[in-house]
Amino acid sequence: EAGVVQSPRYKIIEKKQPVAFWCNPISGHNTLYWYRQNLGQGPELLIRYENEEAVDDSQLPKDRFSAERLKGVDSTLKIQPAELGDSAVYLCASSSPEGLAIHTSTDTQYFGPGTRLTVL
Amino acid sequence: DAKTTQPPSMDCAEGRAANLPCNHSTISGNEYVYWYRQIHSQGPQYIIHGLKNNETNEMASLIITEDRKSSTLILPHATLRDTAVYYCTRINFNKFYFGSGTKLNVKP
Repeated sequence: EAGVVQSPRYKIIEKKQPVAFWCNPISGHNTLYWYRQNLGQGPELLIRYENEEAVDDSQLPKDRFSAERLKGVDSTLKIQPAELGDSAVYLCASSSPEGLAIHTSTDTQYFGPGTRLTVL
Repeated sequence: DAKTTQPPSMDCAEGRAANLPCNHSTISGNEYVYWYRQIHSQGPQYIIHGLKNNETNEMASLIITEDRKSSTLILPHATLRDTAVYYCTRINFNKFYFGSGTKLNVKP
């Protein structure tokens, strides 16, 4: 079974430029997550989708970040314009929680390899 | 507060058991404890999770204390390929809270 696919793996841009990351989750997984991981730290959740609905975007900096999951499968995360502090690894994860999706306490998430963004 | 506490680094000799501790003293009754690991330049890899009982799979064993305030991940025979950052996390309403993890160095 194919895992979570992300592209590109690496991206180098100058500040103020736009950038987009793409994620294809594991087949059949309805829940999709975007995380940001700064150097030396654990991942931090940016946004969570249940199918095509963003159910938790409280940590997404909405002034410059946007995300979409139009058909409830693939997802795109965009930054416009990028700032120096956006340099990080952007991880996508997917899961297929059992039971009630919102209130379950078990939710094994499977991560993609990430996109390493460097903003110059 | 959904944080967990782990030592920043540990060393282990190849072939020996690696025991990685985690403190989650504020965990609530229905929150599972999850362990992931991250090898350099890769995404986090799921290892194991548990609620109350000890768990074992092909990768590791998870020992959870009776009061659920702490747990230990055990890699029974560590290899050089087990060198990674190990994250102990808890899930709260579908949200994982990752700390800085434990950097496990397996040495020959």
